[in-house]
Amino acid sequence: KNEVEQSPQNLTAQEGEFITINCSYSVGISALHWLQQHPGGGIVSLFMLSSGKKKHGRLIATINIQEKHSSLHITASHPRDSAVYICAVSFEETSGSRLTFGEGTQLTVNP
Amino acid sequence: KAGVTQTPRYLIKTRGQQVTLSCSPISGHRSVSWYQQTPGQGLQFLFEYFSETQRNKGNFPGRFSGRQFSNSRSEMNVSTLELGDSALYLCASSLWGHQYEQYFGPGTRLTVT
Repeated sequence: KNEVEQSPQNLTAQEGEFITINCSYSVGISALHWLQQHPGGGIVSLFMLSSGKKKHGRLIATINIQEKHSSLHITASHPRDSAVYICAVSFEETSGSRLTFGEGTQLTVNP
Repeated sequence: KAGVTQTPRYLIKTRGQQVTLSCSPISGHRSVSWYQQTPGQGLQFLFEYFSETQRNKGNFPGRFSGRQFSNSRSEMNVSTLELGDSALYLCASSLWGHQYEQYFGPGTRLTVT
């Protein structure tokens, strides 16, 4: 069983819809990352969170440390948002920058 | 500031051969982590180097090794390649510690035939 669980695995939306991707983890973390991966492989870091909420443009990330849960929201979704979104965590028990990843959510936004 | 660079971008090798991949971090970043991505296993941590020393190691066989140079550039080596080593290999650079963001390179796509 993966220590980082993401849902849903696949998500199809119509342009303009509000999208939520969820991530839960099993033990204490130091930080949680939301990453975006487009076809071709490059990964871009969207957010790094250790508490609360962050917002960049149409993207919002929240984390609830007590419930060991994070969500990534996309408002007014657009076809260019189509990508794989990956949740990754740094566990408290490990040093350095080591990340453990969820399985990813494949998002497709249709025009 | 230039991003993380990885060379080569694509590579085709034969079973039994060995391969060396290179990663140049963002200037000032001394931590380099390596990850393997496959369709079946997703993204998995290989190892992390900081100040020329391996600080963390994932659950991979000894055929996977790495090193870091004094300029923070890192290489990873896979010996005796197997078909299952076909993957996208990503490196990421950062400052040392959990509180810092990681910056990923474009990856090296390795195909083993």
